[in-house]
Amino acid sequence: QKEVEQDPGPLSVPEGAIVSLNCTYSNSAFQYFMWYRQYSRKGPELLMYTYSSGNKEDGRFTAQVDKSSKYISLFIRDSQPSDSATYLCAMRGDRAAGNKLTFGGGTRVLVKP
Amino acid sequence: DGGITQSPKYLFRKEGQNVTLSCEQNLNHDAMYWYRQDPGQGLRLIYYSQIVNDFQKGDIAEGYSVSREKKESFPLTVTSAQKNPTAFYLCASSMQGAAGELFFGEGSRLTVL
Repeated sequence: QKEVEQDPGPLSVPEGAIVSLNCTYSNSAFQYFMWYRQYSRKGPELLMYTYSSGNKEDGRFTAQVDKSSKYISLFIRDSQPSDSATYLCAMRGDRAAGNKLTFGGGTRVLVKP
Repeated sequence: DGGITQSPKYLFRKEGQNVTLSCEQNLNHDAMYWYRQDPGQGLRLIYYSQIVNDFQKGDIAEGYSVSREKKESFPLTVTSAQKNPTAFYLCASSMQGAAGELFFGEGSRLTVL
């Protein structure tokens, strides 16, 4: 079983809809949680970064972490065709664990005009 | 502009040949990483380096080698011992101690013929 599970999709939504993405994990030592966006044939770029449980909002993006359920989510409001990409969740332990991240497999999202 | 440069973007190799992928950064970051990306498997860590002249194996180091002679450079050699080298290779860097903000290059796609 993988440490981080993520539905590969593809997830197809109409423009303006809410996109809902999630990851589950098994390692209770994970403390920091990230979402990266990757366009086709490009390197990933950091979208959101959260620490511990709770919500974090940045423009149209909201990240949620539920450590008790080992479940993280990313919501994209008012989705645009430019949001079409693969979204990767990533996580790591505390600072003593170093900078190594564990990534999910990525969910491909397609926003149709 | 600051960033990470990977070269070549596309590379073809015959079986039995070694190949070296270049990664250069001008972000003044201490830590550098090599990841491999296969469809549906997310990013898997090959090697990482936190300071010059020091590096550690990641989760899938077999068949790969690296060097870190300069802070700016972290080349990856894919040796003939790597059984399934066809993949998308991503180089990243981060500030020392940064919780999860990796800056990625645009990747190198290696195809073994």
